[in-house]
Amino acid sequence: AQSVTQPDIHITVSEGASLELRCNYSYGATPYLFWYVQSPGQGLQLLLKYFSGDTLVQGIKGFEAEFKRSQSSFNLRKPSVHWSDAAEYFCAVGGGNEKLTFGTGTRLTIIP
Amino acid sequence: GAVVSQHPSWVICKSGTSVKIECRSLDFQATTMFWYRQFPKQSLMLMATSNEGSKATYEQGVEKDKFLINHASLTLSTLTVTSAHPEDSSFYICSEKGQGGSTDTQYFGPGTRLTVL
Repeated sequence: AQSVTQPDIHITVSEGASLELRCNYSYGATPYLFWYVQSPGQGLQLLLKYFSGDTLVQGIKGFEAEFKRSQSSFNLRKPSVHWSDAAEYFCAVGGGNEKLTFGTGTRLTIIP
Repeated sequence: GAVVSQHPSWVICKSGTSVKIECRSLDFQATTMFWYRQFPKQSLMLMATSNEGSKATYEQGVEKDKFLINHASLTLSTLTVTSAHPEDSSFYICSEKGQGGSTDTQYFGPGTRLTVL
Protein backbone atom coordinates (compact mmCIF):
# COMPACT_ATOMS: atom_id res chain seq x y z
CA ALA A 1 0.00 0.00 0.00
CA GLN A 2 1.20 3.47 -0.77
CA SER A 3 1.95 5.90 2.04
CA VAL A 4 3.41 9.31 2.62
CA THR A 5 5.31 10.57 5.64
CA GLN A 6 5.84 14.20 6.44
CA PRO A 7 8.01 14.04 9.55
CA ASP A 8 7.70 17.69 10.48
CA ILE A 9 4.33 18.69 11.90
CA HIS A 10 5.25 22.34 12.32
CA ILE A 11 8.16 24.42 11.04
CA THR A 12 8.97 28.03 11.84
CA VAL A 13 11.33 30.06 9.69
CA SER A 14 12.25 33.70 9.45
CA GLU A 15 11.12 35.71 6.49
CA GLY A 16 13.83 35.66 3.85
CA ALA A 17 15.33 32.42 5.11
CA SER A 18 15.48 29.24 3.08
CA LEU A 19 12.98 26.44 3.53
CA GLU A 20 12.95 22.70 3.11
CA LEU A 21 9.92 20.55 3.86
CA ARG A 22 10.49 16.84 3.97
CA CYS A 23 8.41 14.15 2.34
CA ASN A 24 9.07 10.42 2.18
CA TYR A 25 6.89 8.02 0.30
CA SER A 26 6.28 4.33 -0.10
CA TYR A 27 5.05 3.17 -3.48
CA GLY A 28 5.44 0.01 -5.48
CA ALA A 29 6.16 1.49 -8.86
CA THR A 30 7.24 4.82 -10.28
CA PRO A 31 5.30 7.32 -8.22
CA TYR A 32 3.44 10.41 -9.25
CA LEU A 33 4.32 12.96 -6.57
CA PHE A 34 2.63 16.21 -5.69
CA TRP A 35 2.95 19.11 -3.32
CA TYR A 36 -0.14 21.09 -2.43
CA VAL A 37 -0.54 24.17 -0.24
CA GLN A 38 -3.60 25.00 1.84
CA SER A 39 -4.30 28.36 3.40
CA PRO A 40 -6.64 28.42 6.43
CA GLY A 41 -10.22 27.62 5.46
CA GLN A 42 -9.30 27.10 1.83
CA GLY A 43 -8.95 24.23 -0.57
CA LEU A 44 -5.66 22.89 -1.88
CA GLN A 45 -3.58 24.58 -4.52
CA LEU A 46 -1.13 22.57 -6.59
CA LEU A 47 2.44 23.80 -6.17
CA LEU A 48 4.23 21.29 -8.36
CA LYS A 49 4.25 17.69 -9.48
CA TYR A 50 6.63 15.01 -10.64
CA PHE A 51 5.70 12.30 -13.09
CA SER A 52 8.95 11.50 -14.88
CA GLY A 53 12.03 13.07 -16.41
CA ASP A 54 14.10 15.73 -14.70
CA THR A 55 14.14 14.96 -11.00
CA LEU A 56 14.26 18.64 -10.04
CA VAL A 57 10.89 20.19 -10.71
CA GLN A 58 9.95 23.82 -10.57
CA GLY A 59 6.60 24.98 -9.31
CA ILE A 60 4.67 28.12 -8.69
CA LYS A 61 5.53 30.80 -6.14
CA GLY A 62 9.25 30.05 -6.38
CA PHE A 63 9.03 26.51 -4.99
CA GLU A 64 10.96 23.53 -6.27
CA ALA A 65 11.19 19.89 -5.29
CA GLU A 66 13.66 17.14 -5.95
CA PHE A 67 12.74 13.51 -6.49
CA LYS A 68 15.31 11.13 -5.05
CA ARG A 69 14.39 7.55 -5.80
CA SER A 70 17.21 6.11 -3.67
CA GLN A 71 15.88 7.93 -0.63
CA SER A 72 12.18 7.66 -1.50
CA SER A 73 11.98 11.38 -0.94
CA PHE A 74 10.41 14.38 -2.59
CA ASN A 75 11.42 17.36 -0.49
CA LEU A 76 10.05 20.82 -1.15
CA ARG A 77 12.38 23.81 -1.11
CA LYS A 78 12.29 27.56 -1.45
CA PRO A 79 15.40 29.74 -1.25
CA SER A 80 13.74 32.70 0.43
CA VAL A 81 10.35 32.55 2.10
CA HIS A 82 7.81 35.35 2.21
CA TRP A 83 5.24 36.00 4.91
CA SER A 84 2.54 34.95 2.46
CA ASP A 85 4.01 31.44 2.36
CA ALA A 86 2.63 30.71 5.81
CA ALA A 87 0.20 27.83 5.26
CA GLU A 88 -0.22 24.07 5.51
CA TYR A 89 1.74 21.99 3.00
CA PHE A 90 0.74 18.53 1.91
CA CYS A 91 2.79 15.98 0.01
CA ALA A 92 0.85 13.34 -1.91
CA VAL A 93 1.62 10.24 -3.93
CA GLY A 94 -0.42 8.46 -6.54
CA GLY A 95 0.00 6.85 -9.90
CA GLY A 96 -1.96 7.40 -13.06
CA ASN A 97 -5.54 6.52 -12.33
CA GLU A 98 -4.91 5.66 -8.70
CA LYS A 99 -6.19 7.76 -5.87
CA LEU A 100 -3.93 10.15 -4.06
CA THR A 101 -2.54 9.38 -0.65
CA PHE A 102 -1.72 12.46 1.40
CA GLY A 103 0.77 13.02 4.15
CA THR A 104 -0.36 14.50 7.43
CA GLY A 105 0.83 17.94 6.44
CA THR A 106 3.43 20.43 7.66
CA ARG A 107 2.32 23.74 9.05
CA LEU A 108 4.67 26.57 8.11
CA THR A 109 4.91 29.67 10.26
CA ILE A 110 6.89 32.69 9.13
CA ILE A 111 8.33 35.10 11.67
CA PRO A 112 9.35 38.63 10.75
CA GLY B 1 -4.40 25.02 -13.46
CA ALA B 2 -8.03 24.09 -13.71
CA VAL B 3 -10.66 25.97 -11.73
CA VAL B 4 -13.03 24.13 -9.42
CA SER B 5 -15.78 25.80 -7.45
CA GLN B 6 -17.82 24.61 -4.49
CA HIS B 7 -21.10 25.86 -3.18
CA PRO B 8 -21.87 26.74 -0.50
CA SER B 9 -18.60 27.76 1.09
CA TRP B 10 -20.11 27.24 4.52
CA VAL B 11 -23.38 25.92 5.87
CA ILE B 12 -24.93 25.55 9.29
CA CYS B 13 -27.82 23.16 9.71
CA LYS B 14 -29.86 21.48 12.39
CA SER B 15 -29.33 17.87 13.31
CA GLY B 16 -31.45 15.56 11.20
CA THR B 17 -31.59 17.73 8.12
CA SER B 18 -29.89 17.03 4.78
CA VAL B 19 -27.31 19.23 3.16
CA LYS B 20 -26.25 19.28 -0.48
CA ILE B 21 -22.82 20.49 -1.56
CA GLU B 22 -22.07 21.23 -5.20
CA CYS B 23 -18.74 20.90 -6.94
CA ARG B 24 -18.28 22.38 -10.39
CA SER B 25 -15.41 22.35 -12.84
CA LEU B 26 -15.45 25.72 -14.54
CA ASP B 27 -12.98 25.33 -17.37
CA PHE B 28 -12.58 21.63 -18.12
CA GLN B 29 -14.54 18.41 -18.26
CA ALA B 30 -14.09 16.35 -15.13
CA THR B 31 -14.26 12.67 -15.87
CA THR B 32 -13.44 11.74 -12.30
CA MET B 33 -14.38 13.55 -9.13
CA PHE B 34 -13.27 12.93 -5.57
CA TRP B 35 -14.79 13.92 -2.27
CA TYR B 36 -12.67 14.38 0.82
CA ARG B 37 -13.34 15.40 4.37
CA GLN B 38 -10.84 17.11 6.59
CA PHE B 39 -11.02 17.46 10.35
CA PRO B 40 -9.26 20.38 12.05
CA LYS B 41 -5.49 20.19 11.83
CA GLN B 42 -5.64 16.87 10.02
CA SER B 43 -4.99 15.63 6.52
CA LEU B 44 -7.53 14.91 3.84
CA MET B 45 -9.41 11.64 3.99
CA LEU B 46 -10.84 10.35 0.74
CA MET B 47 -14.52 9.54 1.05
CA ALA B 48 -15.44 8.45 -2.46
CA THR B 49 -14.54 8.54 -6.11
CA SER B 50 -17.05 9.04 -8.87
CA ASN B 51 -16.89 8.82 -12.63
CA GLU B 52 -19.38 10.65 -14.77
CA GLY B 53 -22.49 8.57 -15.30
CA SER B 54 -21.42 5.82 -12.90
CA LYS B 55 -22.07 5.01 -9.29
CA ALA B 56 -19.55 6.33 -6.81
CA THR B 57 -16.97 4.08 -5.21
CA TYR B 58 -16.82 4.63 -1.47
CA GLU B 59 -13.83 4.17 0.76
CA GLN B 60 -13.99 1.68 3.57
CA GLY B 61 -15.91 3.00 6.53
CA VAL B 62 -17.83 5.64 4.58
CA GLU B 63 -21.58 5.10 4.64
CA LYS B 64 -22.87 5.35 1.08
CA ASP B 65 -26.46 5.82 2.24
CA LYS B 66 -25.45 8.77 4.38
CA PHE B 67 -23.15 10.48 1.91
CA LEU B 68 -24.93 10.44 -1.43
CA ILE B 69 -22.81 11.35 -4.40
CA ASN B 70 -24.15 12.21 -7.83
CA HIS B 71 -21.93 12.86 -10.82
CA ALA B 72 -24.52 13.61 -13.42
CA SER B 73 -22.40 15.59 -15.83
CA LEU B 74 -18.80 16.31 -16.70
CA THR B 75 -18.95 19.62 -14.87
CA LEU B 76 -21.03 18.92 -11.78
CA SER B 77 -20.89 16.56 -8.84
CA THR B 78 -22.93 16.80 -5.67
CA LEU B 79 -22.47 15.41 -2.19
CA THR B 80 -25.56 15.16 -0.02
CA VAL B 81 -25.11 14.56 3.66
CA THR B 82 -28.37 12.96 4.72
CA SER B 83 -29.78 13.22 8.24
CA ALA B 84 -26.73 15.15 9.36
CA HIS B 85 -25.51 14.90 12.92
CA PRO B 86 -22.93 16.94 14.84
CA GLU B 87 -20.24 14.33 14.17
CA ASP B 88 -20.64 15.07 10.45
CA SER B 89 -19.37 18.59 11.04
CA SER B 90 -16.24 18.89 8.98
CA PHE B 91 -14.57 20.56 6.03
CA TYR B 92 -15.58 18.87 2.79
CA ILE B 93 -13.40 19.31 -0.28
CA CYS B 94 -13.95 18.07 -3.80
CA SER B 95 -11.33 17.55 -6.45
CA GLU B 96 -11.48 16.71 -10.10
CA LYS B 97 -9.42 15.10 -12.82
CA GLY B 98 -10.39 15.73 -16.37
CA GLN B 99 -10.07 15.44 -20.06
CA GLY B 100 -7.43 17.47 -21.75
CA GLY B 101 -4.33 18.87 -20.16
CA SER B 102 -2.98 16.71 -17.38
CA THR B 103 -5.40 13.88 -16.61
CA ASP B 104 -3.18 12.71 -13.77
CA THR B 105 -3.54 15.80 -11.64
CA GLN B 106 -6.32 16.53 -9.19
CA TYR B 107 -7.56 20.09 -8.91
CA PHE B 108 -9.27 21.02 -5.69
CA GLY B 109 -12.23 23.16 -4.87
CA PRO B 110 -12.11 25.75 -2.08
CA GLY B 111 -14.00 23.52 0.35
CA THR B 112 -17.28 23.69 2.26
CA ARG B 113 -17.40 24.09 6.01
CA LEU B 114 -20.37 22.13 7.42
CA THR B 115 -21.51 22.74 10.98
CA VAL B 116 -24.33 20.61 12.33
CA LEU B 117 -25.99 21.91 15.47
